[in-house]
Amino acid sequence: GENVEQHPSTLSVQEGDSAVIKCTYSDSASNYFPWYKQELGKGPQLIIDIRSNVGEKKDQRIAVTLNKTAKHFSLHITETQPEDSAVYFCAAPPNAGGTSYGKLTFGQGTILTVHP
Amino acid sequence: DTGVSQNPRHKITKRGQNVTFRCDPISEHNRLYWYRQTLGQGPEFLTYFQNEAQLEKSRLLSDRFSAERPKGSFSTLEIQRTEQGDSAMYLCASSLGLQGEKPQHFGDGTRLSIL
Repeated sequence: GENVEQHPSTLSVQEGDSAVIKCTYSDSASNYFPWYKQELGKGPQLIIDIRSNVGEKKDQRIAVTLNKTAKHFSLHITETQPEDSAVYFCAAPPNAGGTSYGKLTFGQGTILTVHP
Repeated sequence: DTGVSQNPRHKITKRGQNVTFRCDPISEHNRLYWYRQTLGQGPEFLTYFQNEAQLEKSRLLSDRFSAERPKGSFSTLEIQRTEQGDSAMYLCASSLGLQGEKPQHFGDGTRLSIL
């Protein structure tokens, strides 16, 4: 099955700085990589995703890069704001072929704290 | 436009009791997933429906757990004879699609506490 490793487990930055979170995955056939933000008491919220046919995707202050050869992908948040403080999860699906859609394997999470 | 809705938000029960959770997916989403999340961990996959068909179950889903999606809309997750280790957040997600991976949208979960 898929194994997803996420680093760092905690990240503390000053407001306005950039934050980078990295994930590695084990299944070379995986082709879809979402990132989720989870605030206290709430469910994970999809913030950006990338498919294996592109190397980078950007949405305002958030970007994701993918290196399929090395089997890792990263979340980049620029100009961080206090409201970016949350737990961030990466995920990847095993590509069992045919019917195994949606079985996301999540990383362990990164607690991001943005200090004003 | 409403998102994924889960009820109840919190459930406290004694060990050995049965509990049932409900998930209402985003309208017209044909795929529905259940995950379990314990403190400090990422969500873990439990089971997945495409329309009313349950297509995959994790080995985490012991025989005390059963999930249904009778009409391909809402889903229920029942845990029988609850144990201390069942304490967790139970998350539901839904997505739209027939082939390939599609974005999953989560509800705010049901937090289960076993006394």
